[in-house]
Amino acid sequence: DIQLTQSPSTLSASVGERVTITCRASQNISSWLAWYQQKPGKAPKLLIYKASSLESGVPSRFSGSGSGTEFTLTISSLQPDDFATYYCQQYNSYLMCSFGQGTKLEIK
Amino acid sequence: QLQLQESGPGLVKPSETLSLTCTVSGVSISSSNYYWGWIRQPPRKGLEWIGNIYFSGSTYYNPSLKSRVTISVDTSKNQFSLKLSSVTAADTAVYYCARHFWEPYSSSWYLFDWGQGTPVTVSS
Repeated sequence: DIQLTQSPSTLSASVGERVTITCRASQNISSWLAWYQQKPGKAPKLLIYKASSLESGVPSRFSGSGSGTEFTLTISSLQPDDFATYYCQQYNSYLMCSFGQGTKLEIK
Repeated sequence: QLQLQESGPGLVKPSETLSLTCTVSGVSISSSNYYWGWIRQPPRKGLEWIGNIYFSGSTYYNPSLKSRVTISVDTSKNQFSLKLSSVTAADTAVYYCARHFWEPYSSSWYLFDWGQGTPVTVSS
């Protein structure tokens, strides 16, 4: 099974800051990684797929990078609406997918 | 505009079967390239993929739940359903239905659109 480890588990930041969240895979997953944003009491929302492709309608301050086993989600300038929990998800496993444990982004 | 809406009992007794339905509107469940499935999230925890189904009836399940899960589809009603048998308190979670996008080069999926989720508690 492919394990995804996100770091940090919690991140405190201020509006306007640039932040980066890391997702590490236990084995090579090429670029088959997606990122989701989840706000309290809401369903997750797709932000990024194929490691760096921005989903339609997602603000350009979100970007993804990486391949193989190390991936990052970057928010270039934090906005108040961005405080949420972020999950990575791998879709490299044959007929199976799995998620990281999540990173909670809090207001400093 | 695509909408997914989960429905079903919010309380299930231990050892019984959890049954949920997802009603899809705005797109045909028979659309190619899309699969339809379920994800759950226990209280204050992360996301767990349960499984999915293609409109033809082909199903794919998380190996950790496979022995207890059945997903079915009713194309005439544009709905798909989840049954999870022999539930315990560990199955208490918010259950989401979601449209899955099939990636042929990896033979797997990412999750395009989600329902709002429905909480299910397992308790006597």
